[in-house]
Amino acid sequence: EVQLVESGGGLVQPGGSLRLSCAASGFTFSSYWMHWVRQAPGKGLVWVSRINSDGSSTSYADSVKGRFTISRDNAKNTLYLQMNSLRAEDTAVYYCATQTLGIRCLDYWGQGTLVTVSS
Amino acid sequence: EIVMTQSPATLSVSPGERATLSCRASQSVSSNLAWYQQKPGQAPRLLIYGASTRATGIPARFSGSGSGTEFTLTISSLQSEDFAVYYCQQYNNWPPKLTFGGGTKVEIK
Repeated sequence: EVQLVESGGGLVQPGGSLRLSCAASGFTFSSYWMHWVRQAPGKGLVWVSRINSDGSSTSYADSVKGRFTISRDNAKNTLYLQMNSLRAEDTAVYYCATQTLGIRCLDYWGQGTLVTVSS
Repeated sequence: EIVMTQSPATLSVSPGERATLSCRASQSVSSNLAWYQQKPGQAPRLLIYGASTRATGIPARFSGSGSGTEFTLTISSLQSEDFAVYYCQQYNNWPPKLTFGGGTKVEIK
């Protein structure tokens, strides 16, 4: 069974940093692209970032480019999102997700971790 | 940037009735379109990809159609468990940046 379990969320002050983790199991993690998607309270889904299978290529939404860094450790089956210079508008549930179908739609999702940016 | 627009924002439907949800892309995305269902407090679930292919385990009452810029998700006979928010998502562009629509909430009439 595919499982994605996010952790690392919490309350952080504006300008602060946080690192999210996503532990993967039940599939060959090193073979697939991974993504982060966020959802502000009561709002829709917003794609944040993606990384290819070996970590050599990444993409970011314009709203987080230069502040967030996606990475992965295939030996530990873990995906990361380093978030710096956090703003109130970054407050959201952050989901990790994967695309195992060979196309860029997200067939497995974690349960999400809440990040709250507030003073 | 490709913008995805969903309509209506809210759809009120009685159980057993048909629901038709629309998604429009600001430029052609070919058939690179997916649909997701999200219930309160849960992660999204993939329903449809390639505009019309049901994901594993998705009931046949869910169907997708369209290509280019106009897409439709149809739920043929709404069940109680289908009341949720539905999102479309394109995956046509390169470099790969996914874009979601704003969502359609299907509520009980």
